[in-house]
Amino acid sequence: DTAVSQTPKYLVTQMGNDKSIKCEQNLGHDTMYWYKQDSKKFLKIMFSYNNKELIINETVPNRFSPKSPDKAHLNLHINSLELGDSAVYFCASSQDPGQEAYEQYFGPGTRLTVT
Amino acid sequence: AQTVTQSQPEMSVQEAETVTLSCTYDTSENNYYLFWYKQPPSRQMILVIRQEAYKQQNATENRFSVNFQKAAKSFSLKISDSQLGDTAMYFCACMEYGNKLVFGAGTILRVKS
Repeated sequence: DTAVSQTPKYLVTQMGNDKSIKCEQNLGHDTMYWYKQDSKKFLKIMFSYNNKELIINETVPNRFSPKSPDKAHLNLHINSLELGDSAVYFCASSQDPGQEAYEQYFGPGTRLTVT
Repeated sequence: AQTVTQSQPEMSVQEAETVTLSCTYDTSENNYYLFWYKQPPSRQMILVIRQEAYKQQNATENRFSVNFQKAAKSFSLKISDSQLGDTAMYFCACMEYGNKLVFGAGTILRVKS
């Protein structure tokens, strides 16, 4: 059983398009995250949601909008795609951080290529 | 703000040998957590080991152990009896209380037969 799943795994699109990446976790976790891994493999957090509420919103262009319809899903919508958006996007989930730091479980990643 | 530094972009080790990957970090918090994640060519992020800053004892998971030096803000990963399947990119990461993971730039480890 897949713990954290993402669709699609690969996405090739043209500049200016709008696209979405879906993420689902079946671990019963309260908190979900989006990370971006650039071409140099550097990983950086973009967003974090806890029980459908936005907790972390790093300096990310407004073209990126996370949406959490329920606590098991956190989708990432990207408007007006640019070449620089090409990267691997990882979804992750964990128990509510609260007083403790729990392991984050990562999805398989979505490789986005903007041409 | 947290920062994590991995000063070794690439390392290689012979199968069955031991290798140590370095990591230093900076945080203003007293409560924080440190992690090593492995990313093989499949790109899946896999947790290798974690360490709570309030624990003095170094964490160990089978062939993987850490050397946690809190005063020096150092968190190195030792891999014993290296196996070909250990070939991967290794990321050191720091998490402050209830917060985001901040990753280092990663170290590519190649295990040679």
